Amino acid sequence: EAQVTQNPRYLITVTGKKLTVTCSQNMNHEYMSWYRQDPGLGLRQIYYSMNVEVTDKGDVPEGYKVSRKEKRNFPLILESPSPNQTSLYFCASSDPLGGYTFGSGTRLTVV
Amino acid sequence: EDQVTQSPEALRLQEGESSSLNCSYTVSGLRGLFWYRQDPGKGPEFLFTLYSAGEEKEKERLKATLTKKESFLHITAPKPEDSATYLCAVQGDTGRRALTFGSGTRLQVQP
Repeated sequence: EAQVTQNPRYLITVTGKKLTVTCSQNMNHEYMSWYRQDPGLGLRQIYYSMNVEVTDKGDVPEGYKVSRKEKRNFPLILESPSPNQTSLYFCASSDPLGGYTFGSGTRLTVV
Repeated sequence: EDQVTQSPEALRLQEGESSSLNCSYTVSGLRGLFWYRQDPGKGPEFLFTLYSAGEEKEKERLKATLTKKESFLHITAPKPEDSATYLCAVQGDTGRRALTFGSGTRLQVQP
């Protein structure tokens, strides 16, 4: 089954404690991206990657890092999480026609 | 800057009562307009991609249409299982293949 897998699904952490959210896709897509979803603000792009070793900032990149060492994996790293990063996060991959396949989401709470 | 506005914010229908959801957009060089369905706590699920004005696509009780300024998602004889939030997104020619999302329409279909 074609899918994007994120882990963990739920995460509660404390301010300043580094964390990583993993993302993996099995569709051999070159393009991957991270979004966050907040009430009233909708889905906003954090970072994207056109291909292995090629990443760039989206609309809301502050406080986040990514890496793309392999085509299938695109982890999201929060080196020093803050409460304003409490959100629902989605990883997605895309084929050349532009259609996105989203993961099931990671609900992050930073206290 | 690409923008997407969806209306209404929420819609309550009786089972079998047909209606339409609206998505108005402004975009620099439309590469595609996307409709997604999102259930609570889950990732957006792809429904349709429309590429040019006049295009229409259908899937079961859903039909999506596109003009140069807006898209409609028509729901014919809805069932309770159609209850969800419906998201509209556009992809412009920025090169980073980002999707700009609207805030969604929360649809509730009552038996």
